[in-house]
Parts: sequence; structure tokens; C-alpha cells
Amino acid sequence: AQKVTQAQTEISVVEKEDVTLDCVYETRDTTYYLFWYKQPPSGELVFLIRRNSFDEQNEISGRYSWNFQKSTSSFNFTITASQVVDSAVYFCALSGWQGGSEKLVFGKGMKLTVNP
Amino acid sequence: EPEVTQTPSHQVTQMGQEVILRCVPISNHLYFYWYRQILGQKVEFLVSFYNNEISEKSEIFDDQFSVERPDGSNFTLKIRSTKLEDSAMYFCASREGENYEQYFGPGTRLTVT
Repeated sequence: AQKVTQAQTEISVVEKEDVTLDCVYETRDTTYYLFWYKQPPSGELVFLIRRNSFDEQNEISGRYSWNFQKSTSSFNFTITASQVVDSAVYFCALSGWQGGSEKLVFGKGMKLTVNP
Repeated sequence: EPEVTQTPSHQVTQMGQEVILRCVPISNHLYFYWYRQILGQKVEFLVSFYNNEISEKSEIFDDQFSVERPDGSNFTLKIRSTKLEDSAMYFCASREGENYEQYFGPGTRLTVT
């Protein structure tokens, strides 16, 4: 069975602080995908990143960076110099790499509040 | 930029009534999904659909639920007899092919009274 754990439920920071969102996953699949989605107060789910299980290279996109460590089954997300617009719920998700469904299994989400 | 659309944005219905939630996936996408999110909780998979048939469904997706792709563009979720616990945000998603990311619609908030 697949499982995603986001231990932090809520974090509050002051603008310009760096913040790291933790994600730990469980899967028996040898190949799989990991994702981060953002859900702003308006409610939609915004895709941020997808990583496959055999690519452990860290990725940076502007103020966002992701650290994938297969040895610890973690896929952490760091926002550098946070801004008020980063306030949202962030979900980590996992899918198997298989023909057909590739459904997403989500963590419970972590609510980030960035205060001015 | 192409996007997944959903209608209505908010639906209020009485317990026992049938509702149909509509989605228009991105036009060249082949895989379609419904997820739901009860207020304040995580997003849960309901069903996936490919090649005009269900490819996987969750335990939540019981006989009260059905999906259909009635034409080349729409993808619908029907709940035959709504219950109070069906109140949630329902998200449609689509993806282009295997090993691609899923793109989500804005959601339909269903309120069952």
C-alpha cells in the first residue's frame, strides 16, 4: 500500500524567512512518482513538481527547491525568502509507475501562513 | 494555456437527490480522474477512467457513484442518491498519457443538506 506522511500540519512564518515542508512516503513499487501541489485559499490544486524515483537530483525553480532522498523515503520542499502569496496548503503526493491508473495518493497537507 | 474546467462551481442539493458534476478535461488528454476533498481534509482518489472504461476505483466509489464520458469533451460524475457525508469539494483531473502529471480543475463544492 502507498502512503504519504506530512508530519507538519501548520506552519506560520514571517515574510522572507525560509521554510521547509517535510514529506515522507511509503511504497512497495520500485518505480514511482512524487509530486507537490499547492492549494491556495481559492481552493484549486496547482501542480508544482513531479519527480520520478530514479532521479534523485535535487531541483531548484526560482525560490522553490526540492530535496529527494530515496534512502530516507523523503521528498522535502523548501521555499526560500517566503512571500505572503506563498500562503496556501501544500500537498505531497505519490503515484505508482504503471500502465493504467497511476492514481495520486496525497498526504494530509501542510498549511503555510506567511505573515507580512 | 489549456486547463481543466468544472461546472458548477458550487452545487447545493437535498439528501437523496441525484447530482451530476461536469468536467471538461484538457483536449488531448487520455486519462481522467475524480477526487474529493472533505473540508479540511486530504484529497482522496475516487475513480480513474481510460479508454472509455473505469481503470481503477476506490472503496469510496460505491454503487451510488458512476462516471461517464458522454461525448468527446465532457467527463461526468453522477451521485445517484446523495448523503450528507457526500458534502465535499470534488476535483476532476486529467493527464496526457502515461508518466505525465495530472492537472486539476478548480473543483465543484457540493453541499448536501
